[in-house]
Amino acid sequence: AQSVAQPEDQVNVAEGNPLTVKCTYSVSGNPYLFWYVQYPNRGLQFLLKYITGDNLVKGSYGFEAEFNKSQTSFHLKKPSALVSDSALYFCAVRDNWGTDKLIFGTGTRLQVFP
Amino acid sequence: EPEVTQTPSHQVTQMGQEVILRCVPISNHLYFYWYRQILGQKVEFLVSFYNNEISEKSEIFDDQFSVERPDGSNFTLKIRSTKLEDSAMYFCATLGALGAHEQFFGPGTRLTVL
Repeated sequence: AQSVAQPEDQVNVAEGNPLTVKCTYSVSGNPYLFWYVQYPNRGLQFLLKYITGDNLVKGSYGFEAEFNKSQTSFHLKKPSALVSDSALYFCAVRDNWGTDKLIFGTGTRLQVFP
Repeated sequence: EPEVTQTPSHQVTQMGQEVILRCVPISNHLYFYWYRQILGQKVEFLVSFYNNEISEKSEIFDDQFSVERPDGSNFTLKIRSTKLEDSAMYFCATLGALGAHEQFFGPGTRLTVL
């Protein structure tokens, strides 16, 4: 079965410091990986995706993610965190055997302190 | 930029009552999904819909749930007889034509069953 794990419930970082939100995956076949962000009382906003090609993908709001096939990881990164980045972040993998539904991780709450 | 919209934003109902949650997908999208997020938990797939029929459903999507596109634009989720455990945030998502990858999510409907 395909799955995604986000090992950290919460990540705390000071504004201006680099941030990393971890994600590992387990899939059959090629992984299609996504990061979404959820602000309070809002829906899920697409940040970035890995389909194929370069292992480092760039997305919205200065975020990027690094695909590592050997470690089955897709960590979300940003060189310099902003207080406004504080939100809930979800990693997801596309189900390659069904109807392309997304399988989500449990989410990581990012708290950026001024 | 086109977006997915959902109504109502918040629905409060009594246990045993029927509710209909509505979604207006992005106009040229072909694949539609419902997900739910129980408070504090991860986003879970409910059902996918393509070409006017259900293409996949999860074990959560039992006989109390149904979906349809009544007028070719709106995409609805009906819960026939709500239970307390149906209280959650319900998200509609859409996917464009073949070859598209990221799903676009609506802002969600918060359903509270009393």
